[in-house]
Amino acid sequence: DAKTTQPPSMDCAEGRAANLPCNHSTISGNEYVYWYRQIHSQGPQYIIHGLKNNETNEMASLIITEDRKSSTLILPHATLRDTAVYYCRRTDKLIFGTGTRLQVFP
Amino acid sequence: GAVVSQHPSWVICKSGTSVKIECRSLDFQATTMFWYRQFPKQSLMLMATSNEGSKATYEQGVEKDKFLINHASLTLSTLTVTSAHPEDSSFYICSAIQGWTEAFFGQGTRLTVV
Repeated sequence: DAKTTQPPSMDCAEGRAANLPCNHSTISGNEYVYWYRQIHSQGPQYIIHGLKNNETNEMASLIITEDRKSSTLILPHATLRDTAVYYCRRTDKLIFGTGTRLQVFP
Repeated sequence: GAVVSQHPSWVICKSGTSVKIECRSLDFQATTMFWYRQFPKQSLMLMATSNEGSKATYEQGVEKDKFLINHASLTLSTLTVTSAHPEDSSFYICSAIQGWTEAFFGQGTRLTVV
């Protein structure tokens, strides 16, 4: 099964860290993991990607397990504007996971 | 980052007519473009993959005669929904890649068939 799986929804308090998991147990050795987010009725926005090592940029951090079967996107200080659907995907065929609807509340 | 422009952003058409959606990569040459469809509160579903100068590869369950894809240049792909019906109403999104890793997305087109 080449699918990626994510929890359907999560809540997070404003200012707290949001940790969004993704399972990609069948990922192959040369496939990257990408994360995007989608705000209602817009195209997906790129956030971050990684292969083996943990990555950080101005938007988020990405933690990839040693066996690469799962990863976690971390928004260190969530804001109300981070409310969106977050998708992870593998390189292969640009197939997206089911997405996690993150709701950040005041 | 690279920019992918999709046009129109929304369209309303009558049942039985055809609608063309354009996807352009503005500052890079896209070796491959992808078309997705998204129904409310659902994930993006890949419809087809198109490479410049060759026929598109459609995902299972997507009618190639209904969703015509043309990728005539490295910067332009078009999706034509032929003989549109209300059940074709959806959010259509294109994506373009440079190489085989990073993908850039258009802003999407909301199609409403009445």
